Amino acid sequence: GIQVEQSPPDLILQEGANSTLRCNFSDSVNNLQWFHQNPWGQLINLFYIPSGTKQNGRLSATTVATERYSLLYISSSQTTDSGVYFCAVVPAAGNKLTFGGGTRVLVKP
Amino acid sequence: EAGVAQSPRYKIIEKRQSVAFWCNPISGHATLYWYQQILGQGPKLLIQFQNNGVVDDSQLPKDRFSAERLKGVDSTLKIQPAKLEDSAVYLCASSSSRDRGPSYEQYFGPGTRLTVT
Repeated sequence: GIQVEQSPPDLILQEGANSTLRCNFSDSVNNLQWFHQNPWGQLINLFYIPSGTKQNGRLSATTVATERYSLLYISSSQTTDSGVYFCAVVPAAGNKLTFGGGTRVLVKP
Repeated sequence: EAGVAQSPRYKIIEKRQSVAFWCNPISGHATLYWYQQILGQGPKLLIQFQNNGVVDDSQLPKDRFSAERLKGVDSTLKIQPAKLEDSAVYLCASSSSRDRGPSYEQYFGPGTRLTVT
């Protein structure tokens, strides 16, 4: 099946810092989503971005489908950005949303 | 618009007991999914429904897990009998996909945290 790898696995930031999270996938995809799982376990939709670039406040994402990767940018990080960020894809030849291993982010005040 | 609702939020049971989880998807969403998330990992799909029919249950341990979606709206997931390794968060998600299946955006509920002792 499709492989989804996220990097880095862990990230510690000082409040106000910027960061980039990466998601590599091994095959063509129909769907790519970025989620933030907060400390209470809720998965929050950040972006639905199978290709192109989107921005939402301090967050933005870019997916380069031809090169099989996606980037999530966090600018001016806040303590509420702490949690786990997941990338998930549906392969073009399949039908399951497959999650990467996540990036655990801790933003220190 | 109300999100995906799940209950209960937490459940503690002993091994070999049974347990059931309930999910109400976003209104109008035809596709419903159940995922299992073990601590430290990403969610893994257990079963997918399109309206009230099963589309994919290849990852569902059918000897102990069952799920139904009567009338194409609410769904229940049952485990009987539970094992220690079933301790996990069970997430329900829905999407408005019809013909295109899971390619549309999925929205997740708050999850049920199950502890089997």
